[in-house]
Amino acid sequence: GQQVQQSPSSLVLQEGENAELQCNFSSTATQLQWFYQSPGGSLVSLLSNPSGTKHTGRLTSTTVTKERRSSLHISSSQTTDSGTYLCAIEGNNNNAPRFGAGTKLTVKP
Amino acid sequence: GGIITQTPKFLIGQEGQKLTLKCQQNFNHDTMYWYRQDSGKGLRLIYYSITENDLQKGDLSEGYDASREKKSSFSLTVTSAQKNEMAVFLCASSIQGTGQLYFGEGSKLTVL
Repeated sequence: GQQVQQSPSSLVLQEGENAELQCNFSSTATQLQWFYQSPGGSLVSLLSNPSGTKHTGRLTSTTVTKERRSSLHISSSQTTDSGTYLCAIEGNNNNAPRFGAGTKLTVKP
Repeated sequence: GGIITQTPKFLIGQEGQKLTLKCQQNFNHDTMYWYRQDSGKGLRLIYYSITENDLQKGDLSEGYDASREKKSSFSLTVTSAQKNEMAVFLCASSIQGTGQLYFGEGSKLTVL
């Protein structure tokens, strides 16, 4: 089945620094979604990006389909960005998204 | 906009007990999912359903039953609660094939 690896597992930044999060997956992705999970636990979709580059606000996601990897870039990080970032992959041979273990981001003031 | 409601938000049970979690969505989405999240870890797929009365096993279905009684609701049963079942269970829904998931707030299970 689909394997999803995220790196780093944790990341500590000073406010204003940029963050680069990675997601690698084992099989072709037809759908790829980045989520933010707050310290309180609720999950919010950030970007859907199965291929190419997408921007929204301070977030940029780049997915290279043939290399089975995606990145999420957060520019000018803020303390409110702290939380866990998860990527979810849906592929040709599975009909439900599988998640990575996440990157826990801590942004210090 | 729609909403996904999970009940109960907190569930405390005894080891060996049968426990049921419920999920309702008013997005009119075809597909619904149950995931389990252990502390500090990612989500693991338990069951999903692509339409009413359909059930598909995920990667962690052993020890669980599920039921899609109607399009808007999807329930999950822990058939015999174990101490290592202490986790958060997350329900989600999507339009089939879009990959766009919408999540409920989660149900936290504690087994005494």
